[in-house]
Amino acid sequence: RKEVEQDPGPFNVPEGATVAFNCTYSNSASQSFFWYRQDCRKEPKLLMSVYSSGNEDGRFTAQLNRASQYISLLIRDSKLSDSATYLCVVANAGGTSYGKLTFGQGTILTVHP
Amino acid sequence: EAQVTQNPRYLITVTGKKLTVTCSQNMNHEYMSWYRQDPGLGLRQIYYSMNVEVTDKGDVPEGYKVSRKEKRNFPLILESPSPNQTSLYFCASRLTGEEANQPQHFGDGTRLSIL
Repeated sequence: RKEVEQDPGPFNVPEGATVAFNCTYSNSASQSFFWYRQDCRKEPKLLMSVYSSGNEDGRFTAQLNRASQYISLLIRDSKLSDSATYLCVVANAGGTSYGKLTFGQGTILTVHP
Repeated sequence: EAQVTQNPRYLITVTGKKLTVTCSQNMNHEYMSWYRQDPGLGLRQIYYSMNVEVTDKGDVPEGYKVSRKEKRNFPLILESPSPNQTSLYFCASRLTGEEANQPQHFGDGTRLSIL
């Protein structure tokens, strides 16, 4: 089983739609969680961290369920510019295992007019 | 401008010809890392460095070497490249290795093709 699993998609949605991505992780000791965005052939960029209480940044909402080892990202009112690959990223605790980041394979989103 | 710089951006070469991909960061970050990205597999860590002269293997280190003689530089060395090392490579850095909640900055990527 992969350490971080995502539905690869692709998700094709019209502008203005709401879309949700899910991610599961296998290491119960994981401490930090993130969503990164990667445009085609470009470097990944941090979209947002995911906090236990859930957090929102404009049209983006991230949720964490530690009991189910599950992370989600909700995008409301999709824009054409949201088209990208969304990477779920999980970090181990510090100490001997240091803060290693493990990446999911990514979920492809295409927003069309 | 804070950045991670990789060179070259693109390289086509032949099996067995040693090559080095350079990586430099100007943010005084302690932690640096190399990843490769392949379709369907996501980003996988090759090597990482917690600080100067401290390096360790990631998940897929075979066929690669690294060094960290200075804080800002973390080159990736392929002593005898093979076709299965054809991939998209990213260098990344963040302030420290332990603090995983800090953002990780990536270079623009290096696309290597080994014929």
